[in-house]
This record gives sequence, C-alpha cells and structure tokens, in this order.
Amino acid sequence: AQSVTQLGSHVSVSEGALVLLRCNYSSSVPPYLFWYVQYPNQGLQLLLKYTTGATLVKGINGFEAEFKKSETSFHLTKPSAHMSDAAEYFCAVSGYSSASKIIFGSGTRLSIRP
Amino acid sequence: SQTIHQWPATLVQPVGSPLSLECTVEGTSNPNLYWYRQAAGRGLQLLFYSVGIGQISSEVPQNLSASRPQDRQFILSSKKLLLSDSGFYLCAWSGSGTGVYEQYFGPGTRLTVT
Repeated sequence: AQSVTQLGSHVSVSEGALVLLRCNYSSSVPPYLFWYVQYPNQGLQLLLKYTTGATLVKGINGFEAEFKKSETSFHLTKPSAHMSDAAEYFCAVSGYSSASKIIFGSGTRLSIRP
Repeated sequence: SQTIHQWPATLVQPVGSPLSLECTVEGTSNPNLYWYRQAAGRGLQLLFYSVGIGQISSEVPQNLSASRPQDRQFILSSKKLLLSDSGFYLCAWSGSGTGVYEQYFGPGTRLTVT
C-alpha cells in the first residue's frame, strides 16, 4: 500500500524567501514520486518527478526536490519565491503497475507575501 | 505533442438531472485514462480509470459511471445528480503498458449541482 502525507495545508512565505513544502510517503515497493502544481480553476501541471537515479531532481519554474529514502521524504524547495508561485501543490507517489495509478497527498496551498 | 481536452468548462445542473462530461486526448494512442473529482478545498479522489476501450475500473462506489467508447475518449456520466456530486472534475492520461508513467491533466470541469 502507498500513501502520501503533506505537512501543512497552508504555507505562507515572503517574496524572495525560501520555499519549502514537505512531503513524506509510505510505499511497500520502490516509489516513484511526483510534485504537481495547480493554479486556481486549472488542471494539475507536473513540476518534477523522481523515478530512479539521482536523488536531487530539478523541475520547472526553479523548483527542485530531493528523494531521501532513509527519511521517506520528498520535500519541494525553491530558493527564492515569486508572486507567481502562489498555487496549490500536490505531492504524489506511484509504484510499478500496469495502470500507473498515482496516490496524491491532500495538497499544500502556497501564499506569497509582497 | 499530446493535448487533452475537457468540456464543458463549467456546468450548473439541478438535482436529479443527468450528466455527461467528455474528455479527449490527442497525439497519443492507447493511453491510460483517469477521472478524478476534487471537492472544494480537498485533494484529488480517483473515480475511474481505463487501460483500454471498454475497460473501466471503479475506485469508489457512487452515483457516477464512466465509459470509453473510443481509444482516446473518456466519458463520465450520471443518470441522476446529487448535491454531493458538485466539484471540480479532472480527466488525466498517462502512458500505457507495464511501468510507471506520470499523468497529464486536462483543464477540468466545474460542476455545481443546485
């Protein structure tokens, strides 16, 4: 069984500050991990993904995430927040299967203060 | 490149009326297809997925049904809507076959049942 826990339903940071969105996962098989972003009234957009190999993954819009197996974590970071980063962020986990089902976390709403 | 379409974008329907939401994918063949619902302020709930024409798996027993009449067409239906069916409905596609593939989402349909 797989599950995802996102710590903090709402995170607020100042423009230019570090963004850190936390995600912990549980998986009985080697996990594949994703971060998605959702802007208001839009679909989800893939930010980045980890499958195998390098544990530090770089994505779009300056975001990156690090897979830490020992901590079962996949936190999302960005060195300097922009106003345009305000959105809902979802962490997700999947395992090797024929249906590629993905388990999503409950989401973290990121607000940016001017 | 691949694109995914959903329509309508918004819908207001009375309780007890039927529902039909359509999703189509372009630029790929034999995709896996998914329907999700996102209630206000909530995460994503997987409703149905399909690995091929006529093959539908239901994740949650409910008032809805899904069909896949063509390879790249996925339809979500209801015979009689309930108030609790209100939400944001998202269609997604992924690659098929054994393996793990990221999902790509459509723009969504906002359904309000009155």
